[in-house]
Amino acid sequence: QSALTQPASVSGSPGQSITISCTGTSSDVGGYDYVSWYQQHAGKAPKLMIYEVSNRPSGVSNRFSGSKSGNTASLTISGLQADDEADYYCSSYTSSSTLVFGGGTKLTVL
Amino acid sequence: QVQLQESGPGLVKPSETLSLTCTVSGDSISSYYWTWIRQPPGKGLEWIGYIYQSGNTNYNPSLKSRVTISIDTSKNQFSLKLISVTAADTAVYYCARWGDGFDFWGQGTMVTVSS
Repeated sequence: QSALTQPASVSGSPGQSITISCTGTSSDVGGYDYVSWYQQHAGKAPKLMIYEVSNRPSGVSNRFSGSKSGNTASLTISGLQADDEADYYCSSYTSSSTLVFGGGTKLTVL
Repeated sequence: QVQLQESGPGLVKPSETLSLTCTVSGDSISSYYWTWIRQPPGKGLEWIGYIYQSGNTNYNPSLKSRVTISIDTSKNQFSLKLISVTAADTAVYYCARWGDGFDFWGQGTMVTVSS
């Protein structure tokens, strides 16, 4: 299975909004609503930020939102803060009943 | 609160078998899917496989020939075995629960493959 495609890096200034894309195929992202997003600070375990395309777990800021159109899912972070600087990964369920991650996106807060 | 803790050797010799155990507390392992994920140094996340309490498993096709995940419901643990390891298997290995996404993670354990 191929990894989902994410931009290697994105950046934004405090207070701005950024969007990270996650592109797959009709056999994964496009075929199921089991897309999730993870934040990983250096040296730490990943943290779930969005599940089932657009749902936020309890305790996750409403500045984080998710969406999907066709084979591409997106994570939007509004009101960018310094602590948002981290690596972000998407994940999707697949038609083979497996799971797959994106390659990861490094977010820099300028 | 659900907690997961990985345990096992931090150093494995090439061609040998990597074995890790994940102990789950705060939740019964007799529900949800339980997974292993790894992250080579400086690289991204790679899903290894999952197991359900029934013993049903599924693995990453790229690792399927070398991986076995098993479960012990009496100990609330599940385990990973990866045979014939090489330096490319050097990574931080995480166990995680697949509920609403990977909603709970262990802290990760670094495994180095070296002679």
